[in-house]
Amino acid sequence: DAGVIQSPRHEVTEMGQEVTLRCKPISGHNSLFWYRQTMMRGLELLIYFNNNVPIDDSGMPEDRFSAKMPNASFSTLKIQPSEPRDSAVYFCASSLSWGAGREQFFGPGTRLTVL
Amino acid sequence: GESVGLHLPTLSVQEGDNSIINCAYSNSASDYFIWYKQESGKGPQFIIDIRSNMDKRQGQRVTVLLNKTVKHLSLQIAATQPGDSAVYFCAVYTGGFKTIFGAGTRLFVKA
Repeated sequence: DAGVIQSPRHEVTEMGQEVTLRCKPISGHNSLFWYRQTMMRGLELLIYFNNNVPIDDSGMPEDRFSAKMPNASFSTLKIQPSEPRDSAVYFCASSLSWGAGREQFFGPGTRLTVL
Repeated sequence: GESVGLHLPTLSVQEGDNSIINCAYSNSASDYFIWYKQESGKGPQFIIDIRSNMDKRQGQRVTVLLNKTVKHLSLQIAATQPGDSAVYFCAVYTGGFKTIFGAGTRLFVKA
């Protein structure tokens, strides 16, 4: 298995532009997570889905952020409009089951820089 | 609410020595714990986990100890190697999937 796939790996954009981050979870995993990592705030959970349904989006910083999971093999995190303070590494992770073995498999991340 | 903390943000050890990384949590209902390792430029990677009905679990060169009385867990790495240099996170689960990650400890291994 290729693991969790994220694209792009690096994104540089200007303030005000729309940014879309993409994630393909591991096949068969039914839970998907979006995290943001910065030096100041560490690893923050933004939102997670179970069976394509958003379960908890309380970590989404504000309305400029939105996430979708139209099917079991694809999710997007969108920032519109982007701001310099959104600069961070964004990780997608997936997990197999609700109960035992809640290990999360992380993708390589997308490094976002908003100028 | 839940809070997870690490006692030391940075740990430096000599190659071959044992490393101990600590983590404290606040919610006594937390029932599952994972240690992750994050190398530079990569996402966190699972190392070892432990459930609240256990107090010790061993893997290859790693041991996790859980003390529920004081809400503390530790990761012990035996015979630390240069490849162990990374940031280590504890992750605490309290029901369901919502995870609280600690701030991370950066481990430096001196050759």
